[in-house]
Amino acid sequence: SQTIHQWPATLVQPVGSPLSLECTVEGTSNPNLYWYRQAAGRGLQLLFYSVGIGQISSEVPQNLSASRPQDRQFILSSKKLLLSDSGFYLCAWSRAGLLAKNIQYFGAGTRLSVL
Amino acid sequence: DAKTTQPPSMDCAEGRAANLPCNHSTISGNEYVYWYRQIHSQGPQYIIHGLKNNETNEMASLIITEDRKSSTLILPHATLRDTAVYYCIVRGGGADGLTFGKGTHLIIQP
Repeated sequence: SQTIHQWPATLVQPVGSPLSLECTVEGTSNPNLYWYRQAAGRGLQLLFYSVGIGQISSEVPQNLSASRPQDRQFILSSKKLLLSDSGFYLCAWSRAGLLAKNIQYFGAGTRLSVL
Repeated sequence: DAKTTQPPSMDCAEGRAANLPCNHSTISGNEYVYWYRQIHSQGPQYIIHGLKNNETNEMASLIITEDRKSSTLILPHATLRDTAVYYCIVRGGGADGLTFGKGTHLIIQP
């Protein structure tokens, strides 16, 4: 069966510090991968998605970047965190191909507090 | 993606069927209706999806009207663990991301 791992679960970082959140998927190959953010009291917002190694699509301009160095690894980064980067970060995956209907499966999330 | 409209909140008694409506009057012919839910402080969970026909799985049933302009998610025997925000999403099956609205906060009452 497929499993998605996100870490850490909770993170407290000072303003201006760097960020690296990692997401890995097990039990499948060539998945589509996604990063979402949920700010306090707000809805889920798509940040990035990737359909293959080195292929990243950005949905909104922001202080963050994403990379996919391996097939089942997706990394969310920032060089200098802002207070507005606080939120609940979720990684998701879906099977490639139209027959899979892009049903997405989410990780447990990382709760980031920037102070 | 087509726009969806859901009531902001609903209550349901434990053990009864919970019926969550969704309007999607601008849905196009190749767009599916998906339902996800998010229990507090957890990642969203896929529930069910459909195109034209009604669908049922181990979690829920999805009823889509004949004109496809609205649908209803049915949880047949709601439990306290079904308390969550339920999102109705209409989109094609491509690889791009999901657009989450505000959803319906379903509260199951004991």
